[in-house]
Amino acid sequence: DIQMTQSPSSLSASVRDRVTITCRASQGINNYLAWYQQKPGQVPKLLIYAASTLQSGVPSRFSGSGSGTDFTLTISSLQPEDVATYYCQKYNSAPFTFGPGTKVDIK
Amino acid sequence: DVQVVESGGDLVQPGGSLKLSCAASGFTFSNYAMTWVRQAPGKGLEWISGISGSGGSTYYADSVKGRFTISRDNSQSTVYLQMNNLRADDTAVYYCAKGGISGYYWFDPWGQGTPVTVSS
Repeated sequence: DIQMTQSPSSLSASVRDRVTITCRASQGINNYLAWYQQKPGQVPKLLIYAASTLQSGVPSRFSGSGSGTDFTLTISSLQPEDVATYYCQKYNSAPFTFGPGTKVDIK
Repeated sequence: DVQVVESGGDLVQPGGSLKLSCAASGFTFSNYAMTWVRQAPGKGLEWISGISGSGGSTYYADSVKGRFTISRDNSQSTVYLQMNNLRADDTAVYYCAKGGISGYYWFDPWGQGTPVTVSS
């Protein structure tokens, strides 16, 4: 099965900083990658699918890129409400594995 | 509004069984895959099972294969997860989620989750 990794596992950044999270698949998955945000105590929320397509209603400061094995989620200007754990997920074929998550907080 | 609502979580003894339900509304249910994802206390998300819109294709993580069964009733807009031979490491919040367009298995929205505790 394809394994998903994320780096870093956690990060602390200042408000208005640019934040980048990396997700790597152990084999190529084309662009079949989604990103989710889970705020503390809340349900996961879809941010991006097809590696770079922003889900409706998601702020434009979030963006995704990549294809094949290497993907990034970028927050262009970190806001206090972005404190959350971010997960990538592959969906090219089953199993539809999640990455281990990246916890983002404010410095 | 598109909505999914889980139910059925409970405290169950090791080796026991439980059946979770997920009622969907606000979309043409039979057109979309559905999935179950769980999250153990303090841990990350673990995808465990998915089912196509017609119910003709089902998928399982290795951790639950042979013990869990996913099914759906399109006339009732409900998806189920039958869990047998439960173990302590099955303790988690179980989320139901709707699949993406064209049968893709990204997930949106998610329900609020239903807690399952496996303990004697």
